[in-house]
Amino acid sequence: RKEVEQDPGPFNVPEGATVAFNCTYSNSASQSFFWYRQDCRKEPKLLMSVYSSGNEDGRFTAQLNRASQYISLLIRDSKLSDSATYLCVVNEDNQGGKLIFGQGTELSVKP
Amino acid sequence: EAGVAQSPRYKIIEKRQSVAFWCNPISGHATLYWYQQILGQGPKLLIQFQNNGVVDDSQLPKDRFSAERLKGVDSTLKIQPAKLEDSAVYLCASSLDGWDRRTYEQYFGPGTRLTVT
Repeated sequence: RKEVEQDPGPFNVPEGATVAFNCTYSNSASQSFFWYRQDCRKEPKLLMSVYSSGNEDGRFTAQLNRASQYISLLIRDSKLSDSATYLCVVNEDNQGGKLIFGQGTELSVKP
Repeated sequence: EAGVAQSPRYKIIEKRQSVAFWCNPISGHATLYWYQQILGQGPKLLIQFQNNGVVDDSQLPKDRFSAERLKGVDSTLKIQPAKLEDSAVYLCASSLDGWDRRTYEQYFGPGTRLTVT
């Protein structure tokens, strides 16, 4: 089983749609969770941190379910500029700052 | 504030040749990471430095890869000799202090795209 596993993509959605990405992680001791965004041929950039039961930032909502070892990212009212790869990332605190990345889910928002 | 700098941005070499990548982290960031990102996959940590000491190099193929951060600032990653499967983007990242949850955020450089032919 992969340490961090994400929905296989790509997701192709029209502008204005709501889209949800799912992620599961294998280490039950993991404490910190993140969503990173990576544009084509660019470096990953932090989109959201998920420290407790979840949080919201504008059109983006991240949810965490520790019992199921599951993280989700919801994007409402999709914009063309949301097109990118979304990386689910887990920090295993017992290893300091080491981040474990999922393989990423590609999103393409069409007009 | 200047971001993480990397060079070169692109490199094409033949298998069995050597190559070196350079990284300059954000000023004041104690922790520096090198990641390998193969096409279609997420980044994979190769090595983590805290100042000039190695924290984690468990996934570094030490028979061919080496890295150093001699003065606790800049870092170099070397591959010698390169194999076809080393073709990937090599990302450098830095964080203020990898051991403090409040400062876990890692800032990535633009990466070096390596093609081994």
